[in-house]
Amino acid sequence: KQEVTQIPAALSVPEGENLVLNCSFTDSAIYNLQWFRQDPGKGLTSLLLIQSSQREQTSGRLNASLDKSSGRSTLYIAASQPGDSATYLCAVKFGSNMLTFGGGTRLMVKP
Amino acid sequence: SAVISQKPSRDICQRGTSLTIQCQVDSQVTMMFWYRQQPGQSLTLIATANQGSEATYESGFVIDKFPISRPNLTFSTLTVSNMSPEDSSIYLCSVDKNTEAFFGQGTRLTVV
Repeated sequence: KQEVTQIPAALSVPEGENLVLNCSFTDSAIYNLQWFRQDPGKGLTSLLLIQSSQREQTSGRLNASLDKSSGRSTLYIAASQPGDSATYLCAVKFGSNMLTFGGGTRLMVKP
Repeated sequence: SAVISQKPSRDICQRGTSLTIQCQVDSQVTMMFWYRQQPGQSLTLIATANQGSEATYESGFVIDKFPISRPNLTFSTLTVSNMSPEDSSIYLCSVDKNTEAFFGQGTRLTVV
């Protein structure tokens, strides 16, 4: 069974800290991996998309890496801000059109 | 990218009634996806909707409970039928554009 796991489930950090969110998946034969942000009660905002052939993607203070051989991806957030507080979801496309989601990491950045 | 308009954004419904959620995309897409997110949980795919054919439902979801329409390449509806409090969730529609997934704002449903 193809599964996606995110750790930690929740994280609280002081403003300005750099942080790493982790995502692991059980099958290395992935099509792509996507990181999303979700604010409470809202929809999902796409942050970064990494194709199977890529190793990392960057957007502003965000950097996502992909290591298929170990079944891992990380989302690095530099110089965190209170506005970064949200739930971050990792989703993997395992070769079909269907996305499999991790459980999410609930991030709180304290001023 | 794709811009998805989903409505209503939230609703409070009586048990036993039905609610239809609408999803409009700003461009034509082959497939549209409907997800459910129960409180404190991650997203679970309900079904995939193709224009001109019946939707494909995932294990645990049936057409009688979640009928879907897909009348054209930019629009779809999901109905939550005969609702019970266990149906209280966020429902989201999604499309793929150039292999990237985009989501609507979600519909927050509370069944009382």
